[in-house]
Amino acid sequence: DVKVTQSSRYLVKRTGEKVFLECVQDMDHENMFWYRQDPGLGLRLIYFSYDVKMKEKGDIPEGYSVSREKKERFSLILESASTNQTSMYLCASSSDTGGIGYTFGSGTRLTVV
Amino acid sequence: AQSVTQPDIHITVSEGASLELRCNYSYGATPYLFWYVQSPGQGLQLLLKYFSGDTLVQGIKGFEAEFKRSQSSFNLRKPSVHWSDAAEYFCAVGYNFNKFYFGSGTKLNVKP
Repeated sequence: DVKVTQSSRYLVKRTGEKVFLECVQDMDHENMFWYRQDPGLGLRLIYFSYDVKMKEKGDIPEGYSVSREKKERFSLILESASTNQTSMYLCASSSDTGGIGYTFGSGTRLTVV
Repeated sequence: AQSVTQPDIHITVSEGASLELRCNYSYGATPYLFWYVQSPGQGLQLLLKYFSGDTLVQGIKGFEAEFKRSQSSFNLRKPSVHWSDAAEYFCAVGYNFNKFYFGSGTKLNVKP
């Protein structure tokens, strides 16, 4: 069964902390994505990556960075967490042939206090 | 700019009743179209997709969707809703496989 695995389901962090959200896929997909999901706003793209060591800003990159050192792993970094980054974070991957669209992880619910 | 509109934020239907969830997009070309479902606390699961060909597509769990180019719509339907269908549904649009745009979602409540 193909998978996108997010390392944590729930996280609670303090304001100002550096936070790492990890995502691993086992499908050899080229593309990986980080979204945040907030009620009434749907999914908003933070960053995405087409290949190892490549990254592109999405619609709301401010306050975030990413790292993709290996094809299967895509990390989202909150450099200095703030309360307005409290949200559900979803990782997804897709192949360049795109036959099945995105495959999503189960999400990480981050609370910043 | 591309946009995806799901005009209904919440919908309540009775179990056994039919369902239609609306999705409209704005863009010049015919996109790739998807519907995803999200159960509480979970990630998104693909229900169905349209790339080309027959404009009526069948998906999992008895769902279907129809692409109407003239209306820039891709509405999701199910003839008879089950209580387990209660979830949030997202329409997504893409012009390549590298980046999709999502609607804001429709929450479905199913009455017994």
